[in-house]
Amino acid sequence: GENVEQHPSTLSVQEGDSAVIKCTYSDSASNYFPWYKQELGKGPQLIIDIRSNVGEKKDQRIAVTLNKTAKHFSLHITETQPEDSAVYFCAATASWGYGGSQGNLIFGKGTKLSVKP
Amino acid sequence: NAGVTQTPKFQVLKTGQSMTLQCAQDMNHNSMYWYRQDPGMGLRLIYYSASEGTTDKGEVPNGYNVSRLNKREFSLRLESAAPSQTSVYFCASIEGQFREKLFFGSGTQLSVL
Repeated sequence: GENVEQHPSTLSVQEGDSAVIKCTYSDSASNYFPWYKQELGKGPQLIIDIRSNVGEKKDQRIAVTLNKTAKHFSLHITETQPEDSAVYFCAATASWGYGGSQGNLIFGKGTKLSVKP
Repeated sequence: NAGVTQTPKFQVLKTGQSMTLQCAQDMNHNSMYWYRQDPGMGLRLIYYSASEGTTDKGEVPNGYNVSRLNKREFSLRLESAAPSQTSVYFCASIEGQFREKLFFGSGTQLSVL
């Protein structure tokens, strides 16, 4: 089945620096790769996503890149701010499904990002 | 604009007790999900409901049951709670034709003593 590995598990940066979180996936048929941000005491919230037919996508200070050949994708945050401190999760769709239903997301284990003022 | 609402926010149970976690969404989404989140384990799917009237097992269904009461509501029941079920539980619903863009509730922190 699909497996998503995420690195690093913790990341500490100075305010204004860039942060990069990397994920690899095992299912070559995966076609959708979202990133979620989870602030303390809250549920995860989608911040950016990318489909398999796109190599890069940007939204202001965040960007995601996808390398289908290598089966990895990355989240890039530029000019980090203290409010970027959170746990970030990557995910990938599974081409197989529990109970025969396809398309459910498999999540990485998360990266705790700390941005120091 | 409530989104996904979970109750309760916190719960402490003794081993063997039962309880039901409630979830409701007001976004008219067809699919709903229950995840558990454990330190260092990420989010793992317990059960999901692709549409009203259907439910399916996820990655870690043992010890749980679910009910899709109507399009809005999806409950998770622990029949006989065990310490291994101590976790944070998230309900989510999904927008989109291809089951993308999950919307999560704020979670239920459950401790089983």
